[in-house]
Amino acid sequence: AQSVTQLGSHVSVSEGALVLLRCNYSSSVPPYLFWYVQYPNQGLQLLLKYTSAATLVKGINGFEAEFKKSETSFHLTKPSAHMSDAAEYFCAVSVPYFGNEKLTFGTGTRLTIIP
Amino acid sequence: EAQVTQNPRYLITVTGKKLTVTCSQNMNHEYMSWYRQDPGLGLRQIYYSMNVEVTDKGDVPEGYKVSRKEKRNFPLILESPSPNQTSLYFCASKWGANTDTQYFGPGTRLTVL
Repeated sequence: AQSVTQLGSHVSVSEGALVLLRCNYSSSVPPYLFWYVQYPNQGLQLLLKYTSAATLVKGINGFEAEFKKSETSFHLTKPSAHMSDAAEYFCAVSVPYFGNEKLTFGTGTRLTIIP
Repeated sequence: EAQVTQNPRYLITVTGKKLTVTCSQNMNHEYMSWYRQDPGLGLRQIYYSMNVEVTDKGDVPEGYKVSRKEKRNFPLILESPSPNQTSLYFCASKWGANTDTQYFGPGTRLTVL
């Protein structure tokens, strides 16, 4: 069974500083990996996804993530934080097999931006 | 506009009173799913549907029912709600493959007293 661990339930960064949100996965087969963002009182929307093509994936709003198989990681980064980045971020994993192609989510990281 | 809609957005009810949360998508997606979100637990899948008339249990199905009579609709039914079902519920849909993006509804915040 696949799983995802997000290190740090709360992360605070200053406006303009680097954003780094950590995600490690566990899977017995090559996984597909996703980052979703949830703004207050809204549903989740996709930031970016890794589907076994390029290991460095660029997403919306200046975010990117790098798939590192040796470290079983898929950390999310953004060079310069903006106030509008304040939200909760979820890492998720899906494994390719016929059946329930579900997403297994991490517990989330709440990002706070300090003015 | 492509979207997943849920109703109601907020609901307060009492233990044992049957309720239905509706979910509808206008993207002709085959796969639909229900999740519940609880603090510190992330999102957990309740039920999913691969296509019309095909539904199956997710990770936390106890106390819930679903049906998929039409492709666009996937209602979540709580026959006898209990306080431990107080949660934030999300419906989601996608085409079907593992690589596909899931589109989420705005959420339904349910409180069971």
